[in-house]
Amino acid sequence: DAGVIQSPRHEVTEMGQEVTLRCKPISGHDYLFWYRQTMMRGLELLIYFNNNVPIDDSGMPEDRFSAKMPNASFSTLKIQPSEPRDSAVYFCASTPLAGGPGTDTQYFGPGTRLTVL
Amino acid sequence: AQSVTQLGSHVSVSEGALVLLRCNYSSSVPPYLFWYVQYPNQGLQLLLKYTSAATLVKGINGFEAEFKKSETSFHLTKPSAHMSDAAEYFCAVSVGSNYKLTFGKGTLLTVNP
Repeated sequence: DAGVIQSPRHEVTEMGQEVTLRCKPISGHDYLFWYRQTMMRGLELLIYFNNNVPIDDSGMPEDRFSAKMPNASFSTLKIQPSEPRDSAVYFCASTPLAGGPGTDTQYFGPGTRLTVL
Repeated sequence: AQSVTQLGSHVSVSEGALVLLRCNYSSSVPPYLFWYVQYPNQGLQLLLKYTSAATLVKGINGFEAEFKKSETSFHLTKPSAHMSDAAEYFCAVSVGSNYKLTFGKGTLLTVNP
């Protein structure tokens, strides 16, 4: 298996522009997570999906952020409009349903490094 | 709500020395605990996890961790450090019937020759 795939790996944009980050989870994994990593705040869970349905979006910082999962093999995280404080590494992770809540390994993608100028 | 505290944002050891990375958790219910490793410019990779079976958990690359309920700790150890162990290590906790992981701030391990 190719693992979790994220694109782009690097994104540089100007303040006010729309940014779309993409994620392809591991085939057969029922849960998908979006995280943000910064020096100041560490790793934060933004939102997660089960069977393409958003379960908990309490970590989404504000209305400028939105996430979708139109099918089992694709998810997007969109920031519109982007701001310099959104600069971070954004990770996508997926996990199967096999072990039950809390026990399953989350498999992380390589991340997208976003820089907003 | 659960939380994780990693003591020491940066740990430096010599090659061949013992590695000890500290993690304390806070949870009102029995937790599931994880250690992840992040190599430069890569995503996180699971090292090991505690899911209420044996309290001493062995992971990949010679690492192990012991769950101590009385101390609310889950420290990560390796008897002999290797240069390839240099990376950032994250402790994480999950509780209850959801899949949310709460991560610590991470500990950067440097291995000196």
